[in-house]
Formats: sequence, structure tokens, C-alpha cells
Amino acid sequence: GDSVTQMEGPVTLSEEAFLTINCTYTATGYPSLFWYVQYPGEGLQLLLKATKADDKGSNKGFEATYRKETTSFHLEKGSVQVSDSAVYFCALSDRQGAQKLVFGQGTRLTINP
Amino acid sequence: EAGVAQSPRYKIIEKRQSVAFWCNPISGHATLYWYQQILGQGPKLLIQFQNNGVVDDSQLPKDRFSAERLKGVDSTLKIQPAKLEDSAVYLCASSSPGTRGEQFFGPGTRLTVL
Repeated sequence: GDSVTQMEGPVTLSEEAFLTINCTYTATGYPSLFWYVQYPGEGLQLLLKATKADDKGSNKGFEATYRKETTSFHLEKGSVQVSDSAVYFCALSDRQGAQKLVFGQGTRLTINP
Repeated sequence: EAGVAQSPRYKIIEKRQSVAFWCNPISGHATLYWYQQILGQGPKLLIQFQNNGVVDDSQLPKDRFSAERLKGVDSTLKIQPAKLEDSAVYLCASSSPGTRGEQFFGPGTRLTVL
């Protein structure tokens, strides 16, 4: 079945550092890809998405590009802030089927001032 | 626009007891999902409704879990009897047609089974 593998955490960075969180997927079709974020004490919220190959999703300074050839959707940010501390989840959705989300295990990110 | 509402936020029970969780999706969202998130893992789909019909319940442990969505609006997830391994956060989400998988999540119910 479909699956998502994320970079092992936790990840700790200093403020203004460059961030990459790796995500690869396995899917039989052509899924849509998502990054969801869970801030402390809050629910999951969509950060960005891409629905087809070579699409780039972006939001709040974060970016991720849908790479079909490497089945990847890595999350990047050029300069992280303390407020970016959260758990980040990569996920996919089958566009043709029931459109349920299949999540990776999550990566906890801590940014130190 | 009001978000997805869930209650209770926290619940502590003993094993073999019963528990129920409630979810009210965003108004007009036809699709409703229940996920289980065990500590340190990503959410896993338990059941998906389209209006008041079940689309996918393949990962729902049907010997102890049940869910319903009467009138195609709010939904209840029940566990009877609970086991220690059911300790998790139960997330409800909803979506509208054509959003290509974008789902809106509630705050979740944290269940602890002792």
C-alpha cells in the first residue's frame, strides 16, 4: 500500500539556520503531497501542498517541490525562527480513490534563539 | 468560519470500560474522517464517511470500535471495551469536494487507558 517515510527526528537548529526535512513516498498512482504542521497545544494544520509533478508548494517561507523521479517532497526553509518549533508531518493522498491521507511518522523541530 | 469541533479534549478510563468521542465538522463538509495518533507516530485513518455512508473502514478494529454519522453532519466514535493500546489522540477531520485531499483537523481527544 501507499506509504510515507520522513527523516528521523528530533531536529534542533539555531535561529536563522537553513532547514531541510526529508520526505519520500511510495504510491501506486499519482498522489497529491502535503506538509502538515502541529504547533504545541494545537491541532494539525495544512502548511503547503502540491498536486502534480514539479509543482512547488510554498507558505510562511517554507517550500517543497514534488519530485516524481525521486518520489520525494522535501521541506525547506531558508531561515528558521523560534516560532517554527513544531512537529511536521509529510502526507500523501490518492487523487483517484477515497482521498484519505497517509502520514509519515512526523519530525519534531526545535529552534533555539 | 468555525473549525472542526471535538469533545471531550481529554479522557482517562480504565481498561475494559467504554468511551465515546464526538465530532462536529465544518459546515457543508461532506467528508468526515477519524484518525488515531499514537504517541510518536503519524495519524492513521480509522474510518472515512461521505455524508452518512462509510467510504473506508478497513483499519477500524471492528470488534471494539464503532462509528456513526447520523444525518451526515456530526459523528461519534466509540470504543467498547477499551484496551491499554488504545491510548492515543483521536483526531477528527473534514473536507469538501474537490479539495484534493486537503483536510481540516479538530484539536483532538487525548485518551488514556489505565
